[in-house]
Amino acid sequence: KNEVEQSPQNLTAQEGEFITINCSYSVGISALHWLQQHPGGGIVSLFMLSSGKKKHGRLIATINIQEKHSSLHITASHPRDSAVYICAVRRVGETSGSRLTFGEGTQLTVNP
Amino acid sequence: KAGVTQTPRYLIKTRGQQVTLSCSPISGHRSVSWYQQTPGQGLQFLFEYFSETQRNKGNFPGRFSGRQFSNSRSEMNVSTLELGDSALYLCASSMGLTYNEQFFGPGTRLTVL
Repeated sequence: KNEVEQSPQNLTAQEGEFITINCSYSVGISALHWLQQHPGGGIVSLFMLSSGKKKHGRLIATINIQEKHSSLHITASHPRDSAVYICAVRRVGETSGSRLTFGEGTQLTVNP
Repeated sequence: KAGVTQTPRYLIKTRGQQVTLSCSPISGHRSVSWYQQTPGQGLQFLFEYFSETQRNKGNFPGRFSGRQFSNSRSEMNVSTLELGDSALYLCASSMGLTYNEQFFGPGTRLTVL
């Protein structure tokens, strides 16, 4: 079993829909990242969370440390949101900010 | 401010050859990390450099190596290429070693034939 699991693996939505992507992890963590990867490979860091909730524009990320679960929400989805969304965690005790364990990603397609 | 740049963007090599990939971080960033992304294994951490020193290394064989120069530019080298080394190699830079946001480059897509 992977230490970081995402669901769903694939998600197709209509423009305007509210979208939720989930991430569950089985190790103790000090931080969780949400990343966005567009076709062609470029990755953008969306959020880094250690507790609670963060919001940026139409994106909201939440984390529940006790339940070892995080969600990424996209409100009023748009075709330009189509990308792979990747959850990654930094283990407790890890001193490097870049030594992360990654989920397999969720492929999101938003149709007009 | 210019972003992270990686060269070359695409590369085709044959088994047994070696390859060097280059990464130029954002100006002022001193930490450079490398990741490998394959369809089977997903994203995996390769190594991290800070102030010209390798600070962390992932679970990869010794054929994978790297270095960082005084201007923070980094190179990674893969020797004796295997078919399984075909992947997207991503570089990311950040200001420091810990708890800093990472900025990713566009990646180098390596194909080993």
